[in-house]
Amino acid sequence: GENVEQHPSTLSVQEGDSAVIKCTYSDSASNYFPWYKQELGKRPQLIIDIRSNVGEKKDQRIAVTLNKTAKHFSLHITETQPEDSAVYFCAASSRNRDDKIIFGKGTRLHILP
Amino acid sequence: DGGITQSPKYLFRKEGQNVTLSCEQNLNHDAMYWYRQDPGQGLRLIYYSQIVNDFQKGDIAEGYSVSREKKESFPLTVTSAQKNPTAFYLCASSSGQGGMTPLHFGNGTRLTVT
Repeated sequence: GENVEQHPSTLSVQEGDSAVIKCTYSDSASNYFPWYKQELGKRPQLIIDIRSNVGEKKDQRIAVTLNKTAKHFSLHITETQPEDSAVYFCAASSRNRDDKIIFGKGTRLHILP
Repeated sequence: DGGITQSPKYLFRKEGQNVTLSCEQNLNHDAMYWYRQDPGQGLRLIYYSQIVNDFQKGDIAEGYSVSREKKESFPLTVTSAQKNPTAFYLCASSSGQGGMTPLHFGNGTRLTVT
């Protein structure tokens, strides 16, 4: 079955700097890669997603890149702000797996003042 | 708010008792999911359902059961066979389409079993 590895588990960056979180997946049939943000005590919410026919997608300060050959994808947050502090989860799914969506273990991002 | 409601927010049970967690959605979504969240473990899939009267086991289904009698409802029962039931449980839904659409999560239920 699919396995999603996420690194690092914890990341601290200075406010204004960039943060990068990386994920790898095992199933080459995976073709949808969403990222979720979970603030303390709240539900996870989608922040950006990418499909396998695209190599990069941007939304303001957030971008996701996908390397299908290497089976890894990354989340990039530029000009970090205090409200970016949260846990971020990557996920992967495949049309072959009947709606089954597998998550990484999460990255706790701390934005330092 | 959000279209997917989990209740209760906190639940306490004695060891050996079954307990049912409620999940209701008014988003007209076909697919519904149950995840368990433990510190450092991410979101682990318990059960999911793509359509009414059908569901599939996820990665950690042992000790849990579900039903999908109505499109809008997907209750999860934590049975006494679940060896470590204390956790935060998240329900989610999506419009399906082979797992290619975003998940909408509920606010979660924190279950404590003593």
